Amino acid sequence: AQKITQTQPGMFVQEKEAVTLDCTYDTSDPSYGLFWYKQPSSGEMIFLIYQGSYDQQNATEGRYSLNFQKARKSANLVISASQLGDSAMYFCAMREPSGGFKTIFGAGTRLFVKA
Amino acid sequence: GAGVSQSPSNKVTEKGKDVELRCDPISGHTALYWYRQSLGQGLEFLIYFQGNSAPDKSGLPSDRFSAERTGGSVSTLTIQRTQQEDSAVYLCASSFSRDNTGELFFGEGSRLTVL
Repeated sequence: AQKITQTQPGMFVQEKEAVTLDCTYDTSDPSYGLFWYKQPSSGEMIFLIYQGSYDQQNATEGRYSLNFQKARKSANLVISASQLGDSAMYFCAMREPSGGFKTIFGAGTRLFVKA
Repeated sequence: GAGVSQSPSNKVTEKGKDVELRCDPISGHTALYWYRQSLGQGLEFLIYFQGNSAPDKSGLPSDRFSAERTGGSVSTLTIQRTQQEDSAVYLCASSFSRDNTGELFFGEGSRLTVL
């Protein structure tokens, strides 16, 4: 079974609007970490945001926030005030003890920001 | 440099030849990963090194693939008897973390083309 599921292969958003990229995960570990990365067309991988499973509050980093719903096992990325430079692939990732703490990635969502 | 360094950046080889891809992680990072990314696809986990522990090789697709990490630093991914389906970008990443926390720092990748 897939550990990380990103159900949106592609998403469109109008510039300056907010967009939510979905991510669900599967683990039986009580302690785990969730990450989002951005990959522009240049190919580099850029870390965006981290959420620990025991964190009481949703993580935020500038225009990025993580909507963490532990009971639903979802960790959606919210990008506020989209910019043209946000057009990229976005990957959700997880680390867990039962996986030896290795990081596994979802299939990704390609975001297109329209002017 | 201070980042993860990979070489070569591009490699074109003929089917059946062996190739070696090198990764120089960030100094002091105990964790090192190799991932494979086919065009427009997600990151496929290949192998994970953590300190002096035995590597997690669960993602290696066949026995033609192997990797080693010498002295807890530089890693080499070797693909023997390359096939056309091995064509992809091979990404190396390192992390200081031994647990659920700590983001990955990625190299720019080695693009392998098998003719």
